[in-house]
Amino acid sequence: DIQMTQSPSSLSASVGDRVTITCRASQSIINYLNWYQQKPGKAPKLLISVASSLQSGIPSRFSGSGFGTDFTLTISSLQPDDFATYYCQQSYTSLWTFGPGTKVEVK
Amino acid sequence: EVLLLESGGGLVEPGGSLRLSCEASGFTFDSHAMIWVRQAPGKGLEWVSGIAGSGSDTYYAESVKGRFTLSRDNSKNTVYLQMNSLRVEDTALYYCARGRLFAVPQGWGTDFWGQGTLVTVSS
Repeated sequence: DIQMTQSPSSLSASVGDRVTITCRASQSIINYLNWYQQKPGKAPKLLISVASSLQSGIPSRFSGSGFGTDFTLTISSLQPDDFATYYCQQSYTSLWTFGPGTKVEVK
Repeated sequence: EVLLLESGGGLVEPGGSLRLSCEASGFTFDSHAMIWVRQAPGKGLEWVSGIAGSGSDTYYAESVKGRFTLSRDNSKNTVYLQMNSLRVEDTALYYCARGRLFAVPQGWGTDFWGQGTLVTVSS
């Protein structure tokens, strides 16, 4: 199975900050990397698919990049609604795997 | 409007069985893979299983392979997750989600999710 890691596991930030979350795959997944946001008590929401394609309705302050094994989710200017946990997920193989998550908290 | 409604969760003893259902509406059901993801209390997301739009291909996480069976009835817009030989570690909120593509490998993630159904395995 492909293992996914994320860093950091948590971070504290303020509204307006630029936030970057990194995701690494244990082998190349080309660009089959998706990012999700989850808030407490809610189902995850797809933000970005295939590394950099922003889902409809997702604000443009979210962006994704990367190829192969290393990927990044960037929030250009953190907003109050963005405090949540973020997960990367690979869908390259038939057995998808999620990263352990990055919790973005209020500083 | 895309809707996914899970049902079938509950309390079961170790070694027991449950069948989860996910009824879909608002889209062409057989054009999309369907995925199950679970989340143990206070933990992260774990991909459990996926099925292609036709139902011809199914895939399972190693943690559930041989115990869980995923199927779909495209005439009823419903997917079923049969869970046998349940273990305490299967306790989780189980989410049904729509794959963005027909296939599972090299998919583009899941764009709609249900609210989940809770499975508790305990004696």
